[in-house]
Amino acid sequence: DTEVTQTPKHLVMGMTNKKSLKCEQHMGHRAMYWYKQKAKKPPELMFVYSYEKLSINESVPSRFSPECPNSSLLNLHLHALQPEDSALYLCASRQGEQGPLGNTIYFGEGSWLTVV
Amino acid sequence: DAKTTQPTSMDCAEGRAANLPCNHSTISGNEYVYWYRQIHSQGPQYIIHGLKNNETNEMASLIITEDRKSSTLILPHATLRDTAVYYCIVREHKAAGNKLTFGGGTRVLVKP
Repeated sequence: DTEVTQTPKHLVMGMTNKKSLKCEQHMGHRAMYWYKQKAKKPPELMFVYSYEKLSINESVPSRFSPECPNSSLLNLHLHALQPEDSALYLCASRQGEQGPLGNTIYFGEGSWLTVV
Repeated sequence: DAKTTQPTSMDCAEGRAANLPCNHSTISGNEYVYWYRQIHSQGPQYIIHGLKNNETNEMASLIITEDRKSSTLILPHATLRDTAVYYCIVREHKAAGNKLTFGGGTRVLVKP
């Protein structure tokens, strides 16, 4: 089972709203990721959590705030977004152990965000 | 991570083998070749990866040249459901800072 579950699948929010995207995996993976994908472009890395600690922030604006409450959950808190932030937000996870099996990254189906 | 070069797009006929090339001439000795695909409006799906030996699984085969500067993903019997963007990525296996950096990919259209 390589399931990463993202909710909601679709979200429409105003520029003054505060909302959150949620990601869950029950594979015992210890690394989790947020990617952003604009239309007809490849996914771009935003954040990486490793063992519940933020290990990579790709210079993402502070209006995006990640949170990893436990090893199975990853949230992305959204506040004061702009219309250009409309995109597909992808969550992914990796086992986190060394070796080929621990390094494969598995993606969820994504959350489509529209900022109006 | 080393950069990869893939054709922008390619067509293939349903039922035939699809051969997707990838150049990675600056690959280093400890970097693996990974392939993912992304079907329209879905998240990327892991296909296969390898270091230097050829690999096969239920989805595809991966052929890596002896000098490791290029590789080919083979879908043995393409179906319409294989229409997707295919990404070739090279990356190290690291305990920390372990990430996947996507390039432009190849847009594959399987035609009846």
